[in-house]
Amino acid sequence: KNQVEQSPQSLIILEGKNCTLQCNYTVSPFSNLRWYKQDTGRGPVSLTIMTFSENTKSNGRYTATLDADTKQSSLHITASQLSDSASYICVVSDWTNAGKSTFGDGTTLTVKP
Amino acid sequence: NAGVTQTPKFQVLKTGQSMTLQCAQDMNHEYMSWYRQDPGMGLRLIHYSVGAGITDQGEVPNGYNVSRSTTEDFPLRLLSAAPSQTSVYFCASSASQGARSTEAFFGQGTRLTVV
Repeated sequence: KNQVEQSPQSLIILEGKNCTLQCNYTVSPFSNLRWYKQDTGRGPVSLTIMTFSENTKSNGRYTATLDADTKQSSLHITASQLSDSASYICVVSDWTNAGKSTFGDGTTLTVKP
Repeated sequence: NAGVTQTPKFQVLKTGQSMTLQCAQDMNHEYMSWYRQDPGMGLRLIHYSVGAGITDQGEVPNGYNVSRSTTEDFPLRLLSAAPSQTSVYFCASSASQGARSTEAFFGQGTRLTVV
């Protein structure tokens, strides 16, 4: 069964600090991995999408890494801001055209002043 | 460009009532899907469609029906609402899935309470 596990479940950091969120998956055959940001009461918004051949992708202060061999991804947030407080969701898709993506339960990040 | 539009944003139903959650997208996306998100939990796939006239079940389809008569619209019907269906429902669309998967665009959600 395809699974996506995220850690930590929740995280509290001070404004200006960096943090790293983890995503481990067992989805096979792997197609791509996406990170989404979900603000409270809103729908998820895409941050990055990475395919098998990509190791790193950045979107402003967000940098995602992918190790397809170990089936791990991380999302690094640099110089955190209060607006980064949200849930961050890791989503992995398989290679079949049915494309039933597997969602992680998310990491809730709280940035405090 | 509206993206993905869901209506209503909030709804309260009595047990046993039926209703339809509306979802429309204006990006000409082939793939649309419905998810539910319970408090503190991740999104779970209810039903999805890979194109007009084609639908299939996701992870938690019981109690829900869908249809896809046009590319733009993908309504979700609750046949006989139960308190266990109290949740936030998200509709999403993307240009493609699977081998050619692209990012998904989500609606703002419908917060449903069944009493």
